[in-house]
Amino acid sequence: ELKVEQNPLFLSMQEGKNYTIYCNYSTTSDRLYWYRQDPGKSLESLFVLLSNGAVKQEGRLMASLDTKARLSTLHITAAVHDLSATYFCAVDKYGGSQGNLIFGKGTKLSVKP
Amino acid sequence: EAEVAQSPRYKITEKSQAVAFWCDPISGHATLYWYRQILGQGPELLVQFQDESVVDDSQLPKDRFSAERLKGVDSTLKIQPAELGDSAMYLCASSLEGPSLYQFFGPGTRLTVL
Repeated sequence: ELKVEQNPLFLSMQEGKNYTIYCNYSTTSDRLYWYRQDPGKSLESLFVLLSNGAVKQEGRLMASLDTKARLSTLHITAAVHDLSATYFCAVDKYGGSQGNLIFGKGTKLSVKP
Repeated sequence: EAEVAQSPRYKITEKSQAVAFWCDPISGHATLYWYRQILGQGPELLVQFQDESVVDDSQLPKDRFSAERLKGVDSTLKIQPAELGDSAMYLCASSLEGPSLYQFFGPGTRLTVL
């Protein structure tokens, strides 16, 4: 059974600090997705990582993918309050690109002043 | 900007009643997904459509859930009868045909079963 595990599940940060969220998955997959969800809202796509070694950055967020280790990281640089949200990683259920996504449980990030 | 539309946004029902949710994907998107998200969990795929055909419904509890996309555009997800454990957010998403990189999610329907 495909598993997608995120850690930590809860993260309380101070503004200005750096931290990393980890996403491990149990099947071979050449792509990985990161989403953001604000409380009571829907999901917003952040990154799609397409190959081993892929790195993408948007503002204070940077995501990377190591397909050999089956690991993706989401690094937060100099956190600000606006980054407070729940972050999900997801992989394709069949290891390809059919779009049948399996999500992790999410990491709830709280950035405090 | 084109968006995925869902209605209703909130639904409260009693157990054993029937409920239905509607989703209108972004125009031109051939692939439509229904997800269920229990509070504190990640979304779980229930059913995937390619045009009007079901591609994957392996996680759909077929004894009580049904989904259709008759004309390959909008879609309805039905639960009959609803159970307490069905309380969740039901999210619809759509993407361009086939192996698209991006799924665009709708605002969701929050279901509470009493």
